Amino acid sequence: EDKVVQSPLSLVVHEGDTVTLNCSYEVTNFRSLLWYKQEKKAPTFLFMLTSSGIEKKSGRLSSILDKKELFSILNITATQTGDSAVYLCAPGGGADGLTFGKGTHLIIQP
Amino acid sequence: SQTIHQWPATLVQPVGSPLSLECTVEGTSNPNLYWYRQAAGRGLQLLFYSVGIGQISSEVPQNLSASRPQDRQFILSSKKLLLSDSGFYLCAWSIGGNTEAFFGQGTRLTVV
Repeated sequence: EDKVVQSPLSLVVHEGDTVTLNCSYEVTNFRSLLWYKQEKKAPTFLFMLTSSGIEKKSGRLSSILDKKELFSILNITATQTGDSAVYLCAPGGGADGLTFGKGTHLIIQP
Repeated sequence: SQTIHQWPATLVQPVGSPLSLECTVEGTSNPNLYWYRQAAGRGLQLLFYSVGIGQISSEVPQNLSASRPQDRQFILSSKKLLLSDSGFYLCAWSIGGNTEAFFGQGTRLTVV
């Protein structure tokens, strides 16, 4: 059975702090690992990682994948209150859908 | 550009009543379509996926069914709702086997 473990499950930090969110996985049909941000409704796509060791960046967010150790991290630097959300990790990527972790609930305090 | 529509946004239904949630995608052809459910405090669980018209695969045994009567239309149904069917239902689409999935705005279903 596919397994995705995200940690921490929740995190409260102050604006300006840097956070690291973790995702470890065991899936049978791995093609890529995706990160999503979910605020109130639809998860919005952040990154898709397919190769080990290659960092992807978008503004203050960055992510990297380790296919040997089966984990990924998502970093957010200089956090802002708008970064408050649930961050979801989802390995998979085949036509048969994604396996999601429970998410990390991130709260940024002003 | 591609868009995905999902409705209704919220729904309150009595136990034993039927259910029909609809999802349509615009701006693309032959998408892979998905239904996910997110229960309180839990991650997104894949319920059904479809790679073409009339082709439905179920990931978990349950009280629900799905149909794809047209290329860009995906319907989630139940004949008799249970309390445990309450949750946040999300439709999603993707193109190909190794691309990101894009989500609709979701339907919050409360079975009372």
